[in-house]
This record gives sequence, C-alpha cells and structure tokens, in this order.
Amino acid sequence: ETGVTQTPRHLVMGMTNKKSLKCEQHLGHNAMYWYKQSAKKPLELMFVYNFKEQTENNSVPSRFSPECPNSSHLFLHLHTLQPEDSALYLCASSSGPQGDYEQYFGPGTRLTVT
Amino acid sequence: QKEVEQNSGPLSVPEGAIASLNCTYSDRGSQSFFWYRQYSGKSPELIMFIYSNGDKEDGRFTAQLNKASQYVSLLIRDSQPSDSATYLCAVNIGTGGFKTIFGAGTRLFVKA
Repeated sequence: ETGVTQTPRHLVMGMTNKKSLKCEQHLGHNAMYWYKQSAKKPLELMFVYNFKEQTENNSVPSRFSPECPNSSHLFLHLHTLQPEDSALYLCASSSGPQGDYEQYFGPGTRLTVT
Repeated sequence: QKEVEQNSGPLSVPEGAIASLNCTYSDRGSQSFFWYRQYSGKSPELIMFIYSNGDKEDGRFTAQLNKASQYVSLLIRDSQPSDSATYLCAVNIGTGGFKTIFGAGTRLFVKA
C-alpha cells in the first residue's frame, strides 16, 4: 500500500454514461496527479493540482473534468467518453514546492468504454 | 517536445546476473530522475530517485546519473525472477510546473 487509494478499481461504462473516479492520498502531500496509461504507450500526464489549484492541463479533452476539493482528494468526472478512452487511469501524489519529488501511485482504475 | 527514451526490450538476463537499464532525456534543465517498477496489471512502484550526478545505491539497486550526457541508468545486481517487470524511467523537467515525463519502459525478464 502506497497511501494512495483509488475507487472504483474497475469500471465499464457506455459512451452516454457519466461516472466519476475518486482518488485519496493519506501521505500529507500537496500535489496530486491524473495519468492515463494505454496499452504499449507511455504514461500520459493529464492534470496536476498543487494545494487544490490546477497547475497543469495537458490538452485533455473536455469530456474529462477534474475536481480537487482539497489536497487529499482528487476526482475525475467522465462523460460521453469514446472507446479509445479505455485505459488504466492512475492517480499519484507528491510533496515538494515544485513537484520535483517522487510520486506515489494508487492502484489505478481500469476503465472500459463500450 | 520533451522526451524520455528507453529501449523497450525485452531485456533477458539469467538469475544472479546484473541487469542494466538505460534512459536518455532531452531537456537539459531536468532536475529529478526516478525509476519505477511496474508489474503487469499493476501501478508503478517507486524504486529509486536521484538528483545529483554520480551513483546512488539502495540494496541491490544502483542508479547512475550523468547530466552532461543526459543519461540515467539503473543497475540491478543479483537479479531475481521476481525482478521481471517493466521499468519506467521518469524525469521531472524542472520548470516548477510539476511536470514529470515518463519513458515507455523497458521490459526485463530474469530467467531462473
């Protein structure tokens, strides 16, 4: 256990559904991240929050909507997804004033869009 | 485009041998360097981080950093079958923007 939890662990949704992914960190870190990992592709950074303020949006389509109510919780709201959005979605957290410290990952949510 | 390059492998070594994993990066301003291990179907697990030129050792693992050559490596001594996994190199590009770039990973297979 890394101190970062994610729910649900598996999610199957249709293209017209709306769902949310949840991440919680118990490490006292200030920064939280969403990554997408598709088969045979590198981890893709999606969003970064530092002290609940968004610092990075890596040109992510608007059908993905992040929310960070505080430094310990991070959500990813999903709506009208496409089959190519099927992937492993990973949450991570880190400390440090410039995000240059190591990141700790949650177990991920395996998303399948049908 | 900031890049982190790794040989995809698979790298196959016999049990007990030294496995050598390599990574190059494009941004000279990079400050922090990380190695993660990822088993199939699991999330990445931090193994090592290194900030300064030279070697850093932790148990069977040694990270090596050469900023002039923009090169970072991971040595695994006395390799075990349980070390079989994909190893991800990650680089924080040091802009203060919390941006870490991951390589595609090298698959390591340790033969018993």
